[in-house]
Amino acid sequence: QKEVEQDPGPLSVPEGAIVSLNCTYSNSAFQYFMWYRQYSRKGPELLMYTYSSGNKEDGRFTAQVDKSSKYISLFIRDSQPSDSATYLCAIRLIDTGNQFYFGTGTSLTVIP
Amino acid sequence: NAGVTQTPKFRILKIGQSMTLQCTQDMNHNYMYWYRQDPGMGLKLIYYSVGAGITDKGEVPNGYNVSRSTTEDFPLRLELAAPSQTSVYFCASSYGTASHEQYFGPGTRLTVT
Repeated sequence: QKEVEQDPGPLSVPEGAIVSLNCTYSNSAFQYFMWYRQYSRKGPELLMYTYSSGNKEDGRFTAQVDKSSKYISLFIRDSQPSDSATYLCAIRLIDTGNQFYFGTGTSLTVIP
Repeated sequence: NAGVTQTPKFRILKIGQSMTLQCTQDMNHNYMYWYRQDPGMGLKLIYYSVGAGITDKGEVPNGYNVSRSTTEDFPLRLELAAPSQTSVYFCASSYGTASHEQYFGPGTRLTVT
């Protein structure tokens, strides 16, 4: 069983739409939850992280964690063409040599 | 700061050839990682290092070797290239267990034919 599973997409939405990106994870011991954004032909970069159940907002982005369901989500409000990228969820356990486990990524295209 | 740099950007290898992918970071990070990214497969950890002189296997280490003689450098060696090693390789670094952020290099696109 994979440590983390991610909806593969791809997603194509009109500018201004609300986007929902989702992942599930298998081990309830995972402590930290992150979202990375990867533009085409670039390395991933950290977008947001959280460690508790509930919501965390940063501008147009909201990260949501439900530890009871082992479910994590990223919501993008008022999506812009510049949000077009691949979004990867990531989880980690500090005790395992600081290893990060990444989802397979969801490709998002925001159409002007 | 240049961050994490990787060379080369692109490379084509013939089956059985060897090469070293270079990775350097100038942020004085203790932790460094090598991932490969295949289409639709996400990032898979090849090797990681928690400090100079210490390395450990990740999820897909077969066919690769690493060394970490300095804090800054973490080269990845392919000894006998195989078509299955065609991928995009990313090096990353992080400060340590307190950091949730990995800083990624721009990647090396490798094709083995």
